[in-house]
Amino acid sequence: GEDVEQSLFLSVREGDSSVINCTYTDSSSTYLYWYKQEPGAGLQLLTYIFSNMDMKQDQRLTVLLNKKDKHLSLRIADTQTGDSAIYFCAVPDQKVTFGIGTKLQVIP
Amino acid sequence: DTGVSQDPRHKITKRGQNVTFRCDPISEHNRLYWYRQTLGQGPEFLTYFQNEAQLEKSRLLSDRFSAERPKGSFSTLEIQRTEQGDSAMYLCASSPGTSGRIEQYFGPGTRLTVT
Repeated sequence: GEDVEQSLFLSVREGDSSVINCTYTDSSSTYLYWYKQEPGAGLQLLTYIFSNMDMKQDQRLTVLLNKKDKHLSLRIADTQTGDSAIYFCAVPDQKVTFGIGTKLQVIP
Repeated sequence: DTGVSQDPRHKITKRGQNVTFRCDPISEHNRLYWYRQTLGQGPEFLTYFQNEAQLEKSRLLSDRFSAERPKGSFSTLEIQRTEQGDSAMYLCASSPGTSGRIEQYFGPGTRLTVT
């Protein structure tokens, strides 16, 4: 089955950029997704990238996809305290396999 | 329609009791998913429906778990003879189900505590 890996924790200062990384094993997914989960809440779809794209920019968010290395990253520019959350990389097959999540801590 | 809703939001039950959770998806979505999430983990897939048909079940879904979506709209997840290891957040998600894009929209979850 699909295996999705992420680092557990990232700490950045407010105003800096954050980069959250993800590696996966299945290369057949048409789209790959990033979700955000705030404490005690469900998951919120943040953005996605089509598998034949290298990069997608959406306001402060930039998604980079290296399909050869099966590496996906999410860059958050000008990170704010409201960005503090857990970020999940998600790779669909018939179902969706989530990474363990990266906890982003933003230091004021 | 404002999104996926789940009921109840919290459930505390004694070991051995049965519990049932409900999920109401976004109305035009024909796919519905159930996940379980424990502390410090990502969501783990349990099962999903395409309309009223249950198309896949995870090995995590033991015989004590059953899910239904009788009319292709809302879904229920029942856990019989609950165990302490069942304590988790149960998440429901729906998606349009069109080919290619299957981004999922999640409900707030039902937090189950088995004492």
